[in-house]
Amino acid sequence: AQKVTQAQTEISVVEKEDVTLDCVYETRDTTYYLFWYKQPPSGELVFLIRRNSFDEQNEISGRYSWNFQKSTSSFNFTITASQVVDSAVYFCALMRGSTLGRLYFGRGTQLTVWP
Amino acid sequence: EADIYQTPRYLVIGTGKKITLECSQTMGHDKMYWYQQDPGMELHLIHYSYGVNSTEKGDLSSESTVSRIRTEHFPLTLESARPSHTSQYLCASSESPGGKPLHFGNGTRLTVT
Repeated sequence: AQKVTQAQTEISVVEKEDVTLDCVYETRDTTYYLFWYKQPPSGELVFLIRRNSFDEQNEISGRYSWNFQKSTSSFNFTITASQVVDSAVYFCALMRGSTLGRLYFGRGTQLTVWP
Repeated sequence: EADIYQTPRYLVIGTGKKITLECSQTMGHDKMYWYQQDPGMELHLIHYSYGVNSTEKGDLSSESTVSRIRTEHFPLTLESARPSHTSQYLCASSESPGGKPLHFGNGTRLTVT
């Protein structure tokens, strides 16, 4: 079975702090994809990043960075110098390589950045 | 970038009414999905489609039905709404082959009184 665990339900930080959102996944597939989505208060889910299981290279995009470690089945997301606009719910998700696109979501982490 | 539209944005209806939530995408994506999001934030797949005339039930038991007569259109219907159907419904689409990100609509927030 596929499972994604986001143990942090809520995180509060003050602006300019760095924050890391944890994501641990379970799958027996050798080919799979991992995603992060952002859900601001307006409600839509915004795609942030996709990694496939064969690419463990970490990625940085501006203030965002992602650390993928197969050895610990983790795909953590770090926001550097957080801003109020980063306040949202963040979802980690898993897609099996053998199926045609279904996403298995974690429960989400509510991030609040205070000014 | 996919454009995917959901209407209505908000809906408040009484118990027993029949409703249809609309979802359309303009990018020609083969695959479309409906997710239900409860107040605790968790997302559950309730229906999906791999193409025209193809629909499947998802992981969460749902009393809703879907149809896929046209590639761009994937409506969800509740024949008789109940308060337990109060939730946010999110529609998504993605390209083939697998591994592509899902693109989501803004969602429909449904309240059944």
